[in-house]
Amino acid sequence: KQEVTQIPAALSVPEGENLVLNCSFTDSAIYNLQWFRQDPGKGLTSLLLIQSSQREQTSGRLNASLDKSSGRSTLYIAASQPGDSATYLCAVHAGNNRKLIWGLGTSLAVNP
Amino acid sequence: SAVISQKPSRDICQRGTSLTIQCQVDSQVTMMFWYRQQPGQSLTLIATANQGSEATYESGFVIDKFPISRPNLTFSTLTVSNMSPEDSSIYLCSVEHGPPYEQYFGPGTRLTVT
Repeated sequence: KQEVTQIPAALSVPEGENLVLNCSFTDSAIYNLQWFRQDPGKGLTSLLLIQSSQREQTSGRLNASLDKSSGRSTLYIAASQPGDSATYLCAVHAGNNRKLIWGLGTSLAVNP
Repeated sequence: SAVISQKPSRDICQRGTSLTIQCQVDSQVTMMFWYRQQPGQSLTLIATANQGSEATYESGFVIDKFPISRPNLTFSTLTVSNMSPEDSSIYLCSVEHGPPYEQYFGPGTRLTVT
């Protein structure tokens, strides 16, 4: 059974720091992996999707990597800003059944 | 990408009543998903809705409690029936595009049951 774990559960950093959020999964047979952002009480915003054949994806200050063999993905945020404060969720697309398996998220606070 | 809207954005309802949540997408999609997110928790999939067929419910969710309609390729509704305070959650609809089956989410409906 696929399980997704995100570490750390919470993170507080000063503005300007580069930071890394971690996501691990137990079954390497994934179709893709998606990173989302959720602001308090709001819906989810898709940040990056990495297909199983890809190693990384970049969007602006965000870079996500995927290592299927070790069951890991990282989300790198460069030069963090207070506006980056949110919960970041990692989800693995487990393939044929078209379901996403979710981590519990990392709550990020970037302090001015 | 896809732009998804949900109505209502929030509601406060009394125990025993029902609420229907609407989800509208700006493009035609095959699969739509309904999720629940209880306070402080991650997302739980309620059901998958394909146009023209019965929704497929996840373990722990039943059609009598959460009936779903999917009349066309851009619209779906989720009804939360006979509500109790335990149903207080954010309800989210999502769609997938692709391959590569990227998922997009609506803004959510925040439901409080008193």
